[in-house]
Amino acid sequence: AQRVTQPEKLLSVFKGAPVELKCNYSYSGSPELFWYVQYSRQRLQLLLRHISRESIKGFTADLNKGETSFHLKKPFAQEEDSAMYYCALGGSSNTGKLIFGQGTTLQVKP
Amino acid sequence: DTEVTQTPKHLVMGMTNKKSLKCEQHMGHRAMYWYKQKAKKPPELMFVYSYEKLSINESVPSRFSPECPNSSLLNLHLHALQPEDSALYLCASSHGDNYGYTFGSGTRLTVV
Repeated sequence: AQRVTQPEKLLSVFKGAPVELKCNYSYSGSPELFWYVQYSRQRLQLLLRHISRESIKGFTADLNKGETSFHLKKPFAQEEDSAMYYCALGGSSNTGKLIFGQGTTLQVKP
Repeated sequence: DTEVTQTPKHLVMGMTNKKSLKCEQHMGHRAMYWYKQKAKKPPELMFVYSYEKLSINESVPSRFSPECPNSSLLNLHLHALQPEDSALYLCASSHGDNYGYTFGSGTRLTVV
């Protein structure tokens, strides 16, 4: 079965602390993983995609096929990072479907 | 133009009404999608259009009827909805799987 698991509903950290948002997936084909962010009252935005291996707003994520994980990391959290983060799974076997995890709310305290 | 535009932003409709949601993109994306999002929940896929043809229908009730008049437009026709259909309806588009989706800001629908 194709599934995305984000085990934490809420992650609360202080400004300047490191952040790791966990994402695990289950997929039989070659996965395509994404991180989306939804700031309060704003549209869902693409943050990262594993295939590009880029860093956006200081966030990085590495696809670990052995552990079937795609954790999102940032070394020093900022208050403006507070938002809902969704891990999403696509892939050639999905015929265009993007499956979302349940989401993790990141709260960065001053 | 790098956006997906959805209209209206808000819609209140009665259970006997007929209304339509509209979505437009001019990025040349070949795939377009309708998602439904309840508060504090992830988006749930409803329909996928690929090259203007319906390719996925996630067992959505027939009171929701999608339409893709051309490669830039996607509509969602609504009829005889229930209060539990109240949600944020999101449209998205993409080039293909590797690129991720571009989402619109959504239509917040309330069924009374």
